[in-house]
Amino acid sequence: GENVEQHPSTLSVQEGDSAVIKCTYSDSASNYFPWYKQELGKRPQLIIDIRSNVGEKKDQRIAVTLNKTAKHFSLHITETQPEDSAVYFCAASGYSSASKIIFGSGTRLSIRP
Amino acid sequence: KAGVTQTPRYLIKTRGQQVTLSCSPISGHRSVSWYQQTPGQGLQFLFEYFSETQRNKGNFPGRFSGRQFSNSRSEMNVSTLELGDSALYLCASSLGTGITEAFFGQGTRLTVV
Repeated sequence: GENVEQHPSTLSVQEGDSAVIKCTYSDSASNYFPWYKQELGKRPQLIIDIRSNVGEKKDQRIAVTLNKTAKHFSLHITETQPEDSAVYFCAASGYSSASKIIFGSGTRLSIRP
Repeated sequence: KAGVTQTPRYLIKTRGQQVTLSCSPISGHRSVSWYQQTPGQGLQFLFEYFSETQRNKGNFPGRFSGRQFSNSRSEMNVSTLELGDSALYLCASSLGTGITEAFFGQGTRLTVV
């Protein structure tokens, strides 16, 4: 069945350093890969997404890469700041709309001052 | 533009009871998806409604059901509550056609005692 694996489950980095979170998916039909950030007690919010016809996408300090052959995708955050501390979820959707999203298990990112 | 609204925010129910949760999507959005979030299982897809019809379904027992009204508002019902149903229930709305961002509500925290 559909499955998204995410690593690591926890990540602690020094402020200013980079953070990388990796995910793999099982469904070959997946063609949309959003990343969500969830702060404590708040709703998940989309921070970046990538579609299967693109290998890399960047938005300021955040970038996502996709390797469809290996079914891998990754989130890269550069120059980390305290406000980056949160739980990050990768996800995959294999439908014509993004209405059914399969989430990874989440990565709790902590930024050390 | 108002965001996705879920009511109530908090609920405490007893085992065996039933509960109904409500989700009002962003104006113009026709798709509403429901997710269960627990510390152990992460974010799991329950089902999706589009134009008053269930379009996608996750792997949850029949005790979990939903519906959508002509104004796109959606309700989720859980019957014969079990302790394991305690979770944060999130709904997300999207346009429902094409790959577009899904916006999450604040969630309903359900506690079953």
